[in-house]
Amino acid sequence: NAGVTQTPKFQVLKTGQSMTLQCAQDMNHEYMSWYRQDPGMGLRLIHYSVGAGITDQGEVPNGYNVSRSTTEDFPLRLLSAAPSQTSVYFCASSYLGGRGYTFGSGTRLTIV
Amino acid sequence: GIQVEQSPPDLILQEGANSTLRCNFSDSVNNLQWFHQNPWGQLINLFYIPSGTKQNGRLSATTVATERYSLLYISSSQTTDSGVYFCAVGLDNYGQNFVFGPGTRLSVLP
Repeated sequence: NAGVTQTPKFQVLKTGQSMTLQCAQDMNHEYMSWYRQDPGMGLRLIHYSVGAGITDQGEVPNGYNVSRSTTEDFPLRLLSAAPSQTSVYFCASSYLGGRGYTFGSGTRLTIV
Repeated sequence: GIQVEQSPPDLILQEGANSTLRCNFSDSVNNLQWFHQNPWGQLINLFYIPSGTKQNGRLSATTVATERYSLLYISSSQTTDSGVYFCAVGLDNYGQNFVFGPGTRLSVLP
């Protein structure tokens, strides 16, 4: 099925560990992004990409890295997990200009 | 940075009732979209509406860009409408890096 696929759906990490959240889309969207959602709040932009090889920072980029080697994939790396990074992470993709904005189902990440 | 406010924060309705959700934003925007987050956490795009009015079934939305607000109308509400409704505004050149409002939590009772 066409859409945005995120893995894993749930993850528990220990403080200081690193991990990669995977995101893949099959709609040939140029734009991809990562958001985090904390309890009772709206989403905040972490990083985004407007095409393969092009990434940039959003509102809350500290502690996260991204890369975009293909149009389809946009992984998010936590370098050294901290309890403040406990959140639900959403990946999204769209055509340039924001039309067809599609979210993945989210990854619930807990840092202990 | 831009401020995005939504009202009311919480809304409880009986099935069949109508409702209006409001989004105010503090600066000019290139893009505005409404999203619904269902009780299982899935986010669905409802409307791409930087200006004007659109309708999709029981839902419609109006954005008055010059006055910096947008309204989402839900008519004949159903229990499946429950969840959180987010307004998101795009500021960048492409209008796709969103600043989200805090959301309106809607509960529709049978």
